[in-house]
Amino acid sequence: DAGVTQSPTHLIKTRGQHVTLRCSPISGHKSVSWYQQVLGQGPQFIFQYYEKEERGRGNFPDRFSARQFPNYSSELNVNALLLGDSALYLCASSLQGGSNQPQHFGDGTRLSIL
Amino acid sequence: EDQVTQSPEALRLQEGESSSLNCSYTVSGLRGLFWYRQDPGKGPEFLFTLYSAGEEKEKERLKATLTKKESFLHITAPKPEDSATYLCAVQATGGFKTIFGAGTRLFVKA
Repeated sequence: DAGVTQSPTHLIKTRGQHVTLRCSPISGHKSVSWYQQVLGQGPQFIFQYYEKEERGRGNFPDRFSARQFPNYSSELNVNALLLGDSALYLCASSLQGGSNQPQHFGDGTRLSIL
Repeated sequence: EDQVTQSPEALRLQEGESSSLNCSYTVSGLRGLFWYRQDPGKGPEFLFTLYSAGEEKEKERLKATLTKKESFLHITAPKPEDSATYLCAVQATGGFKTIFGAGTRLFVKA
């Protein structure tokens, strides 16, 4: 079975631009979460979606937004990019949201801001 | 505020030298504690979930334990292929956020 897939794998943008990152969850998983991981740190929670509804949001500015589609895939959008947005963006899926089930991660999108 | 602290930041072992990684957590109520392994350039790979104090889980050379304030990941007779960053994460009751620690980077030398 395919795991969590993310696209693109690498992306280079300049300050002020916007970016859209995509995630396809494991088949049958209805919950998708997004994380930002800066080098040397653990992943930081950005959003969780379950059944197309936002269930949780971390301490990120409104420049960050996301949505989940009827097929449970998801997009993360970041507007007005800053140098500090350079990071690995991880998507994780689980069967349900808000439960104690483990999340399964994709290999991320490496975003570099010049 | 919910918080996860991992120690040490880095650990260097000789092949076969057993050791433990620590994860201290502060949450209002624990829904679950998770251990992940992360290789360079990859996403975290799920290892274990622990739900209540006293619980233990094992997988090959790894064993995870849980108390009310901390969790340990014991590595018995490690091999070079065990080299990776090990991440601890918690989910608190009443919320949807998963909080990760900064990780422990493990280096195992042959």
